[in-house]
Amino acid sequence: KAGVTQTPRYLIKTRGQQVTLSCSPISGHRSVSWYQQTPGQGLQFLFEYFSETQRNKGNFPGRFSGRQFSNSRSEMNVSTLELGDSALYLCASSPGLAGGPETQYFGPGTRLLVL
Amino acid sequence: QQQVKQSPQSLIVQKGGISIINCAYENTAFDYFPWYQQFPGKGPALLIAIRPDVSEKKEGRFTISFNKSAKQFSLHIMDSQPGDSATYFCAARTRYSGAGSYQLTFGKGTKLSVIP
Repeated sequence: KAGVTQTPRYLIKTRGQQVTLSCSPISGHRSVSWYQQTPGQGLQFLFEYFSETQRNKGNFPGRFSGRQFSNSRSEMNVSTLELGDSALYLCASSPGLAGGPETQYFGPGTRLLVL
Repeated sequence: QQQVKQSPQSLIVQKGGISIINCAYENTAFDYFPWYQQFPGKGPALLIAIRPDVSEKKEGRFTISFNKSAKQFSLHIMDSQPGDSATYFCAARTRYSGAGSYQLTFGKGTKLSVIP
């Protein structure tokens, strides 16, 4: 079974631009969660989608948004980029029904650099 | 307070030694405590996890000790190997209403280096 894939793997943007990151979950998984990883703050939860609906959201400004498509693929968007948005963005997929982290798998991440 | 405090930030251990990483939490609503291992260029991978009604869980060379009254838990890596060199994260889960919905709060990570 293919793992979680994220595209692109690396991205360089300038302040004020917007960016869209993509995540393809493991086949059959319906839940996709997004996390931001920085050296200073560690891993922080952004939001979770299940069956095209946002089920849960972390403490991030409205510039961070996401969506999920009917095939469970998910995108996250960051508008009006700031230098502090430079981070590794991780996507994790799980079946999404019962169960917990033991059925959640992380992708390799997209490294975003904002100049 | 949705916070998990992890220490130390970095750890150097000789091959064959014991690596110990500690975490502490405040929120009594956390109901599941996983540990993740992350290698450079990779996403975190679940290593081992424990529920708060258990005081210890062992899987191979990895052991979690859990102290519910102190709100602390720790990861012990016995017979540490150079291949264990990675960043380790503790985490704690909060469940939300609705089947399968939960959120993980992570510690800030410990970079472990095992030297030959």
